[in-house]
Amino acid sequence: NAGVTQTPKFQVLKTGQSMTLQCAQDMNHEYMSWYRQDPGMGLRLIHYSVGAGITDQGEVPNGYNVSRSTTEDFPLRLLSAAPSQTSVYFCASSYTGPPLFRSPLHFGNGTRLTVT
Amino acid sequence: KQEVTQIPAALSVPEGENLVLNCSFTDSAIYNLQWFRQDPGKGLTSLLLIQSSQREQTSGRLNASLDKSSGRSTLYIAASQPGDSATYLCAALGETSGSRLTFGEGTQLTVNP
Repeated sequence: NAGVTQTPKFQVLKTGQSMTLQCAQDMNHEYMSWYRQDPGMGLRLIHYSVGAGITDQGEVPNGYNVSRSTTEDFPLRLLSAAPSQTSVYFCASSYTGPPLFRSPLHFGNGTRLTVT
Repeated sequence: KQEVTQIPAALSVPEGENLVLNCSFTDSAIYNLQWFRQDPGKGLTSLLLIQSSQREQTSGRLNASLDKSSGRSTLYIAASQPGDSATYLCAALGETSGSRLTFGEGTQLTVNP
């Protein structure tokens, strides 16, 4: 049982490049989400999905796109990387999602992204 | 807007000590509150989830309490061990915050042998 798997673990991009952060879970969770963690800012929600084919914006969605074609996968795309997107990105999933979140969130180990 | 504060930012204790970590939230209208543990270079691991109708949850040496009226939650760790060293974060799900958990910045705990 792998839980939530994120790839890659580390990535360096130049300003303007695009890339996709991968996230997969094998727990049959309906809810999946992306967070970024920055010093002094805590964890902030980027995008989330309550099921295949359904996505919505979180607190800081600008510059990022998501899609959810299957229950298992929830990739995060950076369209044109900027230095302000240097951060640690976490994917998280839960058996139940909003509004009540009655199940705990399960996190991946993160992707550390540097944009130069 | 919900704000979550964790004080202190860092805490160092000798092994064996019982300790309390604090979490304060500004909007008492919450659905639930979660406590997480984060080890360096790793993701967050959920420790305890307290629903708004509950006052506390226990798991092994951990006990978390919730007092909505005062806007506070505490995580009690009994008989601390060096393996408990990590950053502990709390996150509140408010009734007015839509689908967003609001995270505190965490308390970095070091348990010295």
